[in-house]
Amino acid sequence: GQQVMQIPQYQHVQEGEDFTTYCNSSTTLSNIQWYKQRPGGHPVFLIQLVKSGEVKKQKRLTFQFGEAKKNSSLHITATQTTDVGTYFCATTGNQFYFGTGTSLTVIP
Amino acid sequence: KAGVTQTPRYLIKTRGQQVTLSCSPISGHRSVSWYQQTPGQGLQFLFEYFSETQRNKGNFPGRFSGRQFSNSRSEMNVSTLELGDSALYLCASSPAGPNEQYFGPGTRLTVT
Repeated sequence: GQQVMQIPQYQHVQEGEDFTTYCNSSTTLSNIQWYKQRPGGHPVFLIQLVKSGEVKKQKRLTFQFGEAKKNSSLHITATQTTDVGTYFCATTGNQFYFGTGTSLTVIP
Repeated sequence: KAGVTQTPRYLIKTRGQQVTLSCSPISGHRSVSWYQQTPGQGLQFLFEYFSETQRNKGNFPGRFSGRQFSNSRSEMNVSTLELGDSALYLCASSPAGPNEQYFGPGTRLTVT
């Protein structure tokens, strides 16, 4: 089945630094979704991308879907302590596939 | 609208027992999916129900089963519990799936 690999697994950044997590697949994806899970919380939907080369922005967050629809990235500009959590990419096929997640720690 | 609710929030069971978890989706959402989350395996898809029918299924043994009622509420059952079933079980709903999913707070199951 489809698998989405996510890197890095962990990332520690100083507050104010940028952060990027990558999601990669060996097969073409029909869509990519991004979720954020705060420590002790549940995943919260952030965005869905469906078009090749699509770029969407939400304030300091920029989401990209690769031209070949095999990879995606989430970039956070000037991280804040409120950005702490695990970021997951996910895609749908005959079931939902979640990436392994990137755990972000922001050091004040 | 009220969010997705799950009951109970915490549960402790003994090996060999069975357990039933409940999920109430957001009003109007007809798709309900279940996930198992563990530190080692991450978020793994169990199954999805839509209009009382199981539409998709993940790679879990038959001990894991579910159902959906006419009001879209869903239950998940795990029989003959094993220590490895200890996990956070998350329910998510969406209007029609597969689309953006709205997760509930989860049920933390501990098997001793």
